[in-house]
Amino acid sequence: GAVVSQHPSWVICKSGTSVKIECRSLDFQATTMFWYRQFPKQSLMLMATSNEGSKATYEQGVEKDKFLINHASLTLSTLTVTSAHPEDSSFYICSALPRDRVTGELFFGEGSRLTVL
Amino acid sequence: AQKVTQAQTEISVVEKEDVTLDCVYETRDTTYYLFWYKQPPSGELVFLIRRNSFDEQNEISGRYSWNFQKSTSSFNFTITASQVVDSAVYFCALRMDSSYKLIFGSGTRLLVRP
Repeated sequence: GAVVSQHPSWVICKSGTSVKIECRSLDFQATTMFWYRQFPKQSLMLMATSNEGSKATYEQGVEKDKFLINHASLTLSTLTVTSAHPEDSSFYICSALPRDRVTGELFFGEGSRLTVL
Repeated sequence: AQKVTQAQTEISVVEKEDVTLDCVYETRDTTYYLFWYKQPPSGELVFLIRRNSFDEQNEISGRYSWNFQKSTSSFNFTITASQVVDSAVYFCALRMDSSYKLIFGSGTRLLVRP
């Protein structure tokens, strides 16, 4: 149980295009999901907290107009990188917090590797 | 402010050696949680352990063991008789009781050579 799936696993796009990454909780409901970004050989940095049915909360320094987050259902959050540029190339990982929050444990997706040419 | 420091950037050992990965954290909260994750080359994060601030008991799970010491704000991770499959980046992370956000350390890259 407690599986989180991200799609796509990897994507290559041209500069200036927009890319959407999906994060799905497959066997549980998640009112809260988190999006992290990881540059090569660096740590995971929290970008934003995605709340079902409300606006996402962005961390300081993260452009909300560039990284659009939509959490339209209890099992799906999407991150859209708009007008992507090479500096946006990174590994994006989501994590989901089960609705019941009994253990408070987060479950991570497999990550999505974005390469912008 | 909360912070996690993993001073060891990279560690290289020969198979069967024991290795300890250090983690030092900073927080003023009295209730918090500490985690260790493994990130193999494929990229996904593998959960290893969670420890709350009120439980200072050391834990052993197979070849893995963890030493939590509040007096030194450390939560070190030891792999006994390391294996090549242990090669990965290991992250220590901190979470406050008031939030579900994880604060990650910079990670330690472990290379176990045959």
